[in-house]
Formats: sequence, C-alpha cells, structure tokens
Amino acid sequence: GAVVSQHPSRVICKSGTSVKIECRSLDFQATTMFWYRQFPKQSLMLMATSNEGSKATYEQGVEKDKFLINHASLTLSTLTVTSAHPEDSSFYICSARPVGGGGYEQYFGPGTRLTVT
Amino acid sequence: QQPVQSPQAVILREGEDAVINCSSSKALYSVHWYRQKHGEAPVFLMILLKGGEQKGHEKISASFNEKKQQSSLYLTASQLSYSGTYFCGTDLDSSNTGKLIFGQGTTLQVKP
Repeated sequence: GAVVSQHPSRVICKSGTSVKIECRSLDFQATTMFWYRQFPKQSLMLMATSNEGSKATYEQGVEKDKFLINHASLTLSTLTVTSAHPEDSSFYICSARPVGGGGYEQYFGPGTRLTVT
Repeated sequence: QQPVQSPQAVILREGEDAVINCSSSKALYSVHWYRQKHGEAPVFLMILLKGGEQKGHEKISASFNEKKQQSSLYLTASQLSYSGTYFCGTDLDSSNTGKLIFGQGTTLQVKP
C-alpha cells in the first residue's frame, strides 16, 4: 500500500517551453501533497504544499508564477514548470499524506528528472 | 533551520551496526526517517512524534530526544540492502502541516 506515482519519469525540453509533471496517489487519498526539488547529491528542498481544492502555498524563494501547482482531486497534483530554463534542470519529487490514520506519514513518488536544454 | 546529520558517510561490513544522528537548532515536533537509493525516491522508514516514537522495521529503530532536539537512527546487523543515503526530515510546526525540512543526508555503504 501507500504507492505514489509520478509521470513522466524523465523529460527533456527546450528552454522556454513548459513541462507538466503529475503526481498520483494510487491506493489512498491525499488532501495534501508536497513538491520537492533535489539537486545531485544534495538534500530534498521543499518547494510548495499542495492542498486539494485550494491554492498551493510556496516556500520562500520559490516563484509561484514559474512553478504552477494544481491539486484537482484527492489523488492528483500537478506541477507545471513554465518557461523552463537550464537552471530549472533538477530532480522533482512529490510526496503525499494519506487522509486519516494520524496524517503524519508521507510517501514519496519515484521522481521526475527534468533536463532543460 | 536545516537539521544537521552526522556522520556524513559511513562504510560498514555486513552484520555491523551503525548510528546516524540528526540534530536541530529548533524544537522538533516530529522526525521522519527515509532511505534513498541512487536515482530513486526516498522510502519511508519511520516517524517519531513529540512525546512518543513509532518503529517502522525490526532491525532499524530510532530514538527522539525532544530536549536535545535530536533523533538517532539505529541500524543493527546491517545488510547489503541497507546501503543508500539516509535523510531525516524534521517538522518544526506543532500544527502538523507536514512541511519537512531535510538534513543533508548520510551515505551508508554496506560491504560484503
């Protein structure tokens, strides 16, 4: 149980284009999902918190107009990197918290490797 | 606010034990431990809550010292599969927002 999927797993795009990354909780519902960014051999940096049915909250320094987050249902959150640039190249990982059961645990998706050329 | 993990790296032989520490300069409300293998997603190990702890696995356990604002992960009788990078994620918010701040990671390599 507690499986989170991400699509795509890898994407290469040209500078200036937009890329959408999907995060799905497959066997549980999640009112809250989180988006992280990870550079090679570094830690996970929280970018934003995605709440179903409401606007996402962004961490300090994260451009909300560049990283658009939509949490349309209890099982799906999307991250759209708009007008991507090479410095946006990174490993993007989402996590989801199951509804109920104390609500403390988070389960991570397999990540999406974004390369902007 | 990022918690500090120690050691940064450790190399073990199969069957040996290891301890990974996670220290924070701020009060902690929960500590989450994850293991990540190269190119993969972090895998949830366990969570320790303020005022208590929960175990996720038999040979992997953890402690949470609220006063010292630190947590330790104990790996006993290590197996090859334990290799990876271990992260502690700390929640500094008493309202359980789930917003985790992760340490820089501890790389564990278990050799035959």
